[in-house]
Amino acid sequence: AQSVAQPEDQVNVAEGNPLTVKCTYSVSGNPYLFWYVQYPNRGLQFLLKYITGDNLVKGSYGFEAEFNKSQTSFHLKKPSALVSDSALYFCAVRVISGSARQLTFGSGTQLTVLP
Amino acid sequence: GAGVSQSPSNKVTEKGKDVELRCDPISGHTALYWYRQSLGQGLEFLIYFQGNSAPDKSGLPSDRFSAERTGGSVSTLTIQRTQQEDSAVYLCASSLPRQEPYGYTFGSGTRLTVV
Repeated sequence: AQSVAQPEDQVNVAEGNPLTVKCTYSVSGNPYLFWYVQYPNRGLQFLLKYITGDNLVKGSYGFEAEFNKSQTSFHLKKPSALVSDSALYFCAVRVISGSARQLTFGSGTQLTVLP
Repeated sequence: GAGVSQSPSNKVTEKGKDVELRCDPISGHTALYWYRQSLGQGLEFLIYFQGNSAPDKSGLPSDRFSAERTGGSVSTLTIQRTQQEDSAVYLCASSLPRQEPYGYTFGSGTRLTVV
């Protein structure tokens, strides 16, 4: 079985400061890893993914995430937060070799960027 | 259409009544997913359709839940004899198979409230 943990329900950061949203995962094989963002009353939007290759992946809106296999983590980062980054962020995983096509999502982290 | 369309956007129903939620995927997307997002929870996988193949129903929480996909396009999620614990946002996503697993486009969801 695959699972995702987002240990922080809420992250607050001042505008202009770096932000980190944490994610750890548990799978029995090699993972595909994703970050999605959800703005109020909107569907989830894809931010970035790790499939293979370089452990540091860059995505939309200046976000990036680092795949760390030894720590089974995939933390989302941004060097300088914007107020408009305030939203609900979800980490998700899928096993590469599994027959299941669905993603398993974490419980989400509410990011609030304070002006 | 340009995006994944879900209707209704909001639904309030009385306990014990049946409800139908509709998802209209992006034209040409053969893969369709239903997820449930409960308050404070991550996204819970419900069901997956791929073309004309038998759907993966492994995430349906009880036999009160069912889903159909007619003509490989529009999907309807039906909840019979609704219970208060069914209150959640129901999200639909679609993708082209070759884009899986990172080509999901989510709809804005249907917020179901069972009173």
